[in-house]
Amino acid sequence: DTGVSQDPRHKITKRGQNVTFRCDPISEHNRLYWYRQTLGQGPEFLTYFQNEAQLEKSRLLSDRFSAERPKGSFSTLEIQRTEQGDSAMYLCASSLVGGPQHFGDGTRLSIL
Amino acid sequence: AQSVTQPDIHITVSEGASLELRCNYSYGATPYLFWYVQSPGQGLQLLLKYFSGDTLVQGIKGFEAEFKRSQSSFNLRKPSVHWSDAAEYFCAVGMNAGGTSYGKLTFGQGTILTVHP
Repeated sequence: DTGVSQDPRHKITKRGQNVTFRCDPISEHNRLYWYRQTLGQGPEFLTYFQNEAQLEKSRLLSDRFSAERPKGSFSTLEIQRTEQGDSAMYLCASSLVGGPQHFGDGTRLSIL
Repeated sequence: AQSVTQPDIHITVSEGASLELRCNYSYGATPYLFWYVQSPGQGLQLLLKYFSGDTLVQGIKGFEAEFKRSQSSFNLRKPSVHWSDAAEYFCAVGMNAGGTSYGKLTFGQGTILTVHP
């Protein structure tokens, strides 16, 4: 049973650079979610897709963030012009419609 | 808007003792409720879920939770804690998005469990 896979596991970058993360969901899952988790907090919703359609995007998500799921399979999350406040763990989850969400191990972003 | 409160930031128990982690939610309709566990540097693992039906739900690793609508609570319990249960535990609520579907999850701040030998 292949779970949710995220790449890279850890990304270190300088402030102002662009970064992109990838998420491969469980193969039969049609929903894919992105969350952000900072130290000492629970995960915070960013956006989610059903197949290739982006159904909801958090109002907390600035224009520097963009997510895609072009063929309804894997997804990418891009952050442009990174800032110190973007340092966090970025978690991806997938599910069937109405089913429980299963999480990957996350990508930890560190901004120098 | 929905919200989740986990009143206990940190709980310490002795191995073999019973455990109860508290979770209260705020949501106008019947929610979808979840408990997840997270080890340091890892993602979240689903322990159990409540969608409808029997209000006492069983999960993995010997955990159970009870949905109490009148108290807006979904507390997690385990009769005998093992050292390997030490981790951070998150309660989450999903808002009904029509039919039997829900969308995003709203998480509590988490409860860190320490287990003494």
